[in-house]
Amino acid sequence: DAGITQSPRYKITETGRQVTLMCHQTWSHSYMFWYRQDLGHGLRLIYYSAAADITDKGEVPDGYVVSRSKTENFPLTLESATRSQTSVYFCASSEGGPGIEPQHFGDGTRLSIL
Amino acid sequence: AQTVTQSQPEMSVQEAETVTLSCTYDTSESDYYLFWYKQPPSRQMILVIRQEAYKQQNATENRFSVNFQKAAKSFSLKISDSQLGDAAMYFCAYRSAGYGGSQGNLIFGKGTKLSVKP
Repeated sequence: DAGITQSPRYKITETGRQVTLMCHQTWSHSYMFWYRQDLGHGLRLIYYSAAADITDKGEVPDGYVVSRSKTENFPLTLESATRSQTSVYFCASSEGGPGIEPQHFGDGTRLSIL
Repeated sequence: AQTVTQSQPEMSVQEAETVTLSCTYDTSESDYYLFWYKQPPSRQMILVIRQEAYKQQNATENRFSVNFQKAAKSFSLKISDSQLGDAAMYFCAYRSAGYGGSQGNLIFGKGTKLSVKP
């Protein structure tokens, strides 16, 4: 089915470990985004990508790495996880550009770092 | 930089009644888009309604409508005939209307938690 999928849905890991969150979309949207959602902060942008091989920092990029070798995939890696990165992570995609095309969100990954 | 403010952390409404959620934003741009997203306990982010800043007519989607006041930089969401399934977090979001770069990024408010009483 067409859509945007995130995996895993839940993840528990330890501080210092590397963890990768996956995001896959089937619409061939140009833009993809990673957000984190924390109580009292709403959603904050971590990284975004305007096309394959083009990525840029958002509001809270420290401690995260992204790549986009293919249009449909946009993985997010925490190279050395810290407790402050415990959060719910959302991936989104959109056509971008000047239109009113909204962002479409995945179901989120709840990440707990012990 | 643009900011979005939702001044009501929590709201409550009786089933079948009407409730209005507030959102204000700050921008120096003249062309932009505004959105309301709903996040039920299932955690999904669901688009409720969207508004283009150059359109004076307020957007409507079934029981959901907005009151867009461009000069006041206000974008409130009205839910009519509230239903139990409307209980959720509601986020207001802003997006620039330009091309490329960061123009596709959404700027979110912190959300309003809506409870619906039976």
